[in-house]
Amino acid sequence: QKEVEQNSGPLSVPEGAIASLNCTYSDRGSQSFFWYRQYSGKSPELIMFIYSNGDKEDGRFTAQLNKASQYVSLLIRDSQPSDSATYLCAVTIFRGGYQKVTFGIGTKLQVIP
Amino acid sequence: AAGVIQSPRHLIKEKRETATLKCYPIPRHDTVYWYQQGPGQDPQFLISFYEKMQSDKGSIPDRFSAQQFSDYHSELNMSSLELGDSALYFCASSLQNTEAFFGQGTRLTVV
Repeated sequence: QKEVEQNSGPLSVPEGAIASLNCTYSDRGSQSFFWYRQYSGKSPELIMFIYSNGDKEDGRFTAQLNKASQYVSLLIRDSQPSDSATYLCAVTIFRGGYQKVTFGIGTKLQVIP
Repeated sequence: AAGVIQSPRHLIKEKRETATLKCYPIPRHDTVYWYQQGPGQDPQFLISFYEKMQSDKGSIPDRFSAQQFSDYHSELNMSSLELGDSALYFCASSLQNTEAFFGQGTRLTVV
């Protein structure tokens, strides 16, 4: 079992719809959770982070964390064609006193105009 | 704001040659990570440093080595290059237990 699991997609949504991206993780000791957006050939760009159970909203983005079920999701409201990218879920855990960041495979989102 | 700086941005090497990639973390960040990302793949963790000491090691081949210097910049040395080493190499930096910020990456092409 991979430490961080995502559906690779592609996930296609019409412009203006809500895109829902999901991620599960295996280590219950995971502490911090991040969503990165990556355009093809570019470096990952941090868009959201969440540490506590519940929802965190930032503009059109909402991150949701459920530690009991070990999943974290990202909702994108009013999806735009410019949101078309791969979304990487990242989870941090502490091992041997140091932070380790592990990525999922990423979900490719396509927003159809 | 200062970001993570990587150099060079693009590098072309022949098989069996050696390459050195450099990373300059965000000032005051104490952790540096190196990732390798092949086409259509997720970033694969190679190695990390905390306060200039190796803190974790992932799927880094024995042909690769890395270190972090006194000024906190880090270098990834890759020897006996193979065609399969062609990838994007990202460096990221963070403070402990906070989000990691990525550099623009170095695209290595081995021919």
